[in-house]
Amino acid sequence: AQKITQTQPGMFVQEKEAVTLDCTYDTSDPSYGLFWYKQPSSGEMIFLIYQGSYDQQNATEGRYSLNFQKARKSANLVISASQLGDSAMYFCAMRGGGSYIPTFGRGTSLIVHP
Amino acid sequence: DTEVTQTPKHLVMGMTNKKSLKCEQHMGHRAMYWYKQKAKKPPELMFVYSYEKLSINESVPSRFSPECPNSSLLNLHLHALQPEDSALYLCASSQELAGAQYFGPGTRLLVL
Repeated sequence: AQKITQTQPGMFVQEKEAVTLDCTYDTSDPSYGLFWYKQPSSGEMIFLIYQGSYDQQNATEGRYSLNFQKARKSANLVISASQLGDSAMYFCAMRGGGSYIPTFGRGTSLIVHP
Repeated sequence: DTEVTQTPKHLVMGMTNKKSLKCEQHMGHRAMYWYKQKAKKPPELMFVYSYEKLSINESVPSRFSPECPNSSLLNLHLHALQPEDSALYLCASSQELAGAQYFGPGTRLLVL
């Protein structure tokens, strides 16, 4: 069975500062994928970034980077230079364990202060 | 801008009504999904279609009936819903089953 844990129910950050959102996972499958999604209050889930278990480099997409530490089974999302529009719910998800369907974490609510 | 569209944005229905939610994607993806999401919770998978065939049904009650008329369209037919079915219904698509999912804006459903 696979499991995703997001331990931070809420996070606050000052505009223009960096913030790290934590995600740990557990799976016995050596092949898996990790995803981060953003969900603003409007409701739409927005795909941000993906990391495969065999990828050698940490994934980056613009201001988003994934701090992938395989031995520690963590896949933290780093948002650099936070903007007010980054205020949203962030979900970490994992695909693996023989299933193509991602398992979602409980989410972290991020609020960016001006 | 999302390339997955959903209609309607909002829907209010009585427990005896029949309604349908519609989803369309224009990315040539071969897998499509329906999720249900309650407030402040992660989305819960309901159905998965792959190459227009129902691939996964996560033990969803029969009052929810999915339909995939073609590779771009996904419908969710609703009949005799309960108030606890009130939620945000999200449609998503992916290039293939293992790929990143791209979501539509959702339909906020209220069952009275």
